[in-house]
Amino acid sequence: DAGITQSPRHKVTETGTPVTLRCHQTENHRYMYWYRQDPGHGLRLIHYSYGVKDTDKGEVSDGYSVSRSKTEDFLLTLESATSSQTSVYFCAISPRFYGYTFGSGTRLTVV
Amino acid sequence: GQQVMQIPQYQHVQEGEDFTTYCNSSTTLSNIQWYKQRPGGHPVFLIQLVKSGEVKKQKRLTFQFGEAKKNSSLHITATQTTDVGTYFCAGPYSGGGADGLTFGKGTHLIIQP
Repeated sequence: DAGITQSPRHKVTETGTPVTLRCHQTENHRYMYWYRQDPGHGLRLIHYSYGVKDTDKGEVSDGYSVSRSKTEDFLLTLESATSSQTSVYFCAISPRFYGYTFGSGTRLTVV
Repeated sequence: GQQVMQIPQYQHVQEGEDFTTYCNSSTTLSNIQWYKQRPGGHPVFLIQLVKSGEVKKQKRLTFQFGEAKKNSSLHITATQTTDVGTYFCAGPYSGGGADGLTFGKGTHLIIQP
């Protein structure tokens, strides 16, 4: 959707390496989210942000960290990638108390 | 913690048949949202329901929110091939914060022409 972009779209990385995924929005929304999607588990919340430098953990935050130094950018870092973190990662933005707009996703493979 | 469950997991229908997916929460929800994800795509927001017993329609899609605000349904009349995809319901995440969502695992709609 217009207004939110994720990069990279695809990435293959080796076990034990750090990886950073980027989410960029042009909608000036306060709220941003990172989800992972896996077969059989659906979409699970990793971390979210409710403002610059304001972040909190979601359901599956172990092994992930986030940063938000500007309203428009929300970064997700896998500190030391593991095979269990192979997944499709979606960023989402939202005006308060309404539906999310999702990015196109990043397909991450950890080998 | 809060769980949002959807049934069925898969639904095969002939084109032109109706389709319904059901969503149930273990706790009362302040609101419920529905999303559609096409194969290979990203989830797209369809609608939000807020009021007890609320019914909303979008063309062939009818959304309902239960009286107790613990269940919801999405009904599609006369399915078309463009309806193929996975339909998710989502409720407010209860693990912390005001705006995270907990998603059901989705219902995959498969349409046979």
